[in-house]
Amino acid sequence: KAGVTQTPRYLIKTRGQQVTLSCSPISGHRSVSWYQQTPGQGLQFLFEYFSETQRNKGNFPGRFSGRQFSNSRSEMNVSTLELGDSALYLCASSSPDSSSYGYTFGSGTRLTVV
Amino acid sequence: AQTVTQSQPEMSVQEAETVTLSCTYDTSESDYYLFWYKQPPSRQMILVIRQEAYKQQNATENRFSVNFQKAAKSFSLKISDSQLGDAAMYFCAYRRRSGNTPLVFGKGTRLSVIA
Repeated sequence: KAGVTQTPRYLIKTRGQQVTLSCSPISGHRSVSWYQQTPGQGLQFLFEYFSETQRNKGNFPGRFSGRQFSNSRSEMNVSTLELGDSALYLCASSSPDSSSYGYTFGSGTRLTVV
Repeated sequence: AQTVTQSQPEMSVQEAETVTLSCTYDTSESDYYLFWYKQPPSRQMILVIRQEAYKQQNATENRFSVNFQKAAKSFSLKISDSQLGDAAMYFCAYRRRSGNTPLVFGKGTRLSVIA
């Protein structure tokens, strides 16, 4: 059974640009969550999508957005990049049956903003 | 709001010895889940062990066990017979049982294993 796949693994962008990250969940998982991981702030929740609808949202500015497609794949977009957006972005998926077991995470996308 | 605190930014242990990582949390809920995740250099978060708050018995997974003290809101992880492959960041996490709420993570503890 394939795990959670995130692409790309690494990304370097210039301040002011925008970026799109992709996450393919485990087959059958309909919930996809996104987290931002930085050395200073740790892991912070961005948003969660379930059946193409945003179900939860963390405390991030509107420059951070996401969507989910009918096949449960999810993308997150960050517009007008700032240096502080440099982070590891982790995606996690779960199903209603597995949610009590936490989430299954991908290996993340390392975004560097220069 | 729920918070999770890991007071040990770094820990080290000799190979084959035992180490305990600390975690405390703050919540007004009575029913929830607690987790320990491991993040090796490969970056993928791997679930190590989980505990359901309504179960008094401490969870155990092979060399990993927890000491769950609900009244004290404490959830420590004990790693026995430490191996070099145990070296990683360890994150404690909380999730409310009801509703569709996200995981709340602590800041993590970096564990080094000395050969």
